[in-house]
Amino acid sequence: NAGVTQTPKFQVLKTGQSMTLQCAQDMNHNSMYWYRQDPGMGLRLIYYSASEGTTDKGEVPNGYNVSRLNKREFSLRLESAAPSQTSVYFCASSAVGIRSYEQYFGPGTRLTVT
Amino acid sequence: GENVEQHPSTLSVQEGDSAVIKCTYSDSASNYFPWYKQELGKGPQLIIDIRSNVGEKKDQRIAVTLNKTAKHFSLHITETQPEDSAVYFCAASMVGTDKLIFGTGTRLQVFP
Repeated sequence: NAGVTQTPKFQVLKTGQSMTLQCAQDMNHNSMYWYRQDPGMGLRLIYYSASEGTTDKGEVPNGYNVSRLNKREFSLRLESAAPSQTSVYFCASSAVGIRSYEQYFGPGTRLTVT
Repeated sequence: GENVEQHPSTLSVQEGDSAVIKCTYSDSASNYFPWYKQELGKGPQLIIDIRSNVGEKKDQRIAVTLNKTAKHFSLHITETQPEDSAVYFCAASMVGTDKLIFGTGTRLQVFP
């Protein structure tokens, strides 16, 4: 099992450019999440998806859109990148069952917007 | 909504000493409290968690304690080793919900 995979690992964008961060999991998890990690601010939830076909906003959704393409894949799109979106982005997934709420994280995408 | 505060932001200890990281939460309805460890260049990984019907939980050198009345919980690492050096995050959520609210992280450095 590869667990949670993310592409790309690194990306540099210019202000106003768009891009999509890809995430996939092979653990048959229902729930998937996108977080951003900034120094001194911990992990903040951008969007999450409790099941295929559903998405909900987290703490910091402005400037982002998501697509839950199928059970395995959950993508994050920046339509018009801004320097404030410079961050490390993590995708995660979980089974969210009665016994376990563990979230499994991918290795992250380091995004710089100039 | 839930808010989680975490202290200290950095912690340096000598190998073999104990380390304690503390978190407080605001929503009394929260009843699930995990701790994640993040090594350099990697995603966070769950190391221990506790539910509100339990006051303490141990796993080898790691323990978590929960005080529901005061709304705070702590991570205790005994006999620290250099490989314990990492960033540690606490989090809180309601059982049955999908969302975790994370603290701001503690960078632990263990010096040999």
